Amino acid sequence: AQTVTQSQPEMSVQEAETVTLSCTYDTSESDYYLFWYKQPPSRQMILVIRQEAYKQQNATENRFSVNFQKAAKSFSLKISDSQLGDAAMYFCAYRGYSGGSNYKLTFGKGTLLTVNP
Amino acid sequence: DAMVIQNPRYQVTQFGKPVTLSCSQTLNHNVMYWYQQKSSQAPKLLFHYYDKDFNNEADTPDNFQSRRPNTSFCFLDIRSPGLGDAAMYLCATSRGAGGDKNIQYFGAGTRLSVL
Repeated sequence: AQTVTQSQPEMSVQEAETVTLSCTYDTSESDYYLFWYKQPPSRQMILVIRQEAYKQQNATENRFSVNFQKAAKSFSLKISDSQLGDAAMYFCAYRGYSGGSNYKLTFGKGTLLTVNP
Repeated sequence: DAMVIQNPRYQVTQFGKPVTLSCSQTLNHNVMYWYQQKSSQAPKLLFHYYDKDFNNEADTPDNFQSRRPNTSFCFLDIRSPGLGDAAMYLCATSRGAGGDKNIQYFGAGTRLSVL
């Protein structure tokens, strides 16, 4: 079974600075997808960024980028120029590429990010 | 413009009293999911529907059931809630299975309290 580990329950960053959230995972599959979701307080979880394991290039979305290390099974999220609106719980998630694992998202426990003005 | 809507946002029920949580979507997606998120834990998939096909996770307790009467709506029924069922319940949708189709869109959740 796949597992996702987020070792940082809480992180804080000063506005306009950069922060990196860590995620490691365990799987025996060679093809899969990795995600970072953001869950603001009392609001729905939204997709921040997505990485396909067969792509070597790290995904980027504006101020958000990932460092995907397939051999190390590591998938960290870097937030540049942090804004107050980035404050949220961030979840790392894994999804298999085919078969029954194709539907299921396996989540980490989350990292609560605080942005200080 | 909420696309996945969960009602109510907060639900209080009594120990053993059946409760139903609802989810609706305006995305016309084929797949709908229910996740359980207990305090300080990762969200955990309970089951999903692909159209009318129901897919239960192996470790989902029998106490949890689901109905999907049409594309837009999906319900989570807890037949006899116990104290351990207090959690946030998240509904999600996706277009389908492969590639970009399986990006999941979430509702804001229903927080269930059991007294």
